Amino acid sequence: GAGVSQSPSNKVTEKGKDVELRCDPISGHTALYWYRQRLGQGLEFLIYFQGNSAPDKSGLPSDRFSAERTGESVSTLTIQRTQQEDSAVYLCASSLGLAGAREQYFGPGTRLTVT
Amino acid sequence: AQSVTQLDSQVPVFEEAPVELRCNYSSSVSVYLFWYVQYPNQGLQLLLKYLSGSTLVESINGFEAEFNKSQTSFHLRKPSVHISDTAEYFCAVSRGGSNYKLTFGKGTLLTVNP
Repeated sequence: GAGVSQSPSNKVTEKGKDVELRCDPISGHTALYWYRQRLGQGLEFLIYFQGNSAPDKSGLPSDRFSAERTGESVSTLTIQRTQQEDSAVYLCASSLGLAGAREQYFGPGTRLTVT
Repeated sequence: AQSVTQLDSQVPVFEEAPVELRCNYSSSVSVYLFWYVQYPNQGLQLLLKYLSGSTLVESINGFEAEFNKSQTSFHLRKPSVHISDTAEYFCAVSRGGSNYKLTFGKGTLLTVNP
């Protein structure tokens, strides 16, 4: 079946502009995660959606970052007033959301460059 | 809060040599452990995982990792590497309970030379 897809694959934007990144999880996966990977760094957790529960936003670095998810499908990550330090690869992952099936399946990422 | 330390940022080895990529974690609660691999120009893929049961887990391509609770480690090993194993390897931990988010280490770049 189809894996996690993300769009766009690359995004170049000017400092101060808003950007919206999209993630389509694997069908049937109730859990969805956003991570950020900056050059030379590991993955930083940003936000986690699980079914109808309130999202875990504990990883969002500032109030310029927000994310939404419609039901158990598409999610969008929005970054307002982008800064150069926002340049990174943004990765989306999904999982079944079960204790015995915790492995996450990652999308190819969106490479964001803020100029 | 949990954290993951990958002690080596880069590990160069020759083909057919053994390799160990080190991973230590800290957590005040029970954890679940994962190794992910990122091949050049590809996305992250799950390599192997420890959830419960046997502390030694294996992947289909010859890697293995052992969960050592007393040493809070989950080192990744392979007895004989191939050039195709060249990739970045990430160790990750998920705490127990119903929040499944992962905390990742900074990664180890394994370069296998002929």
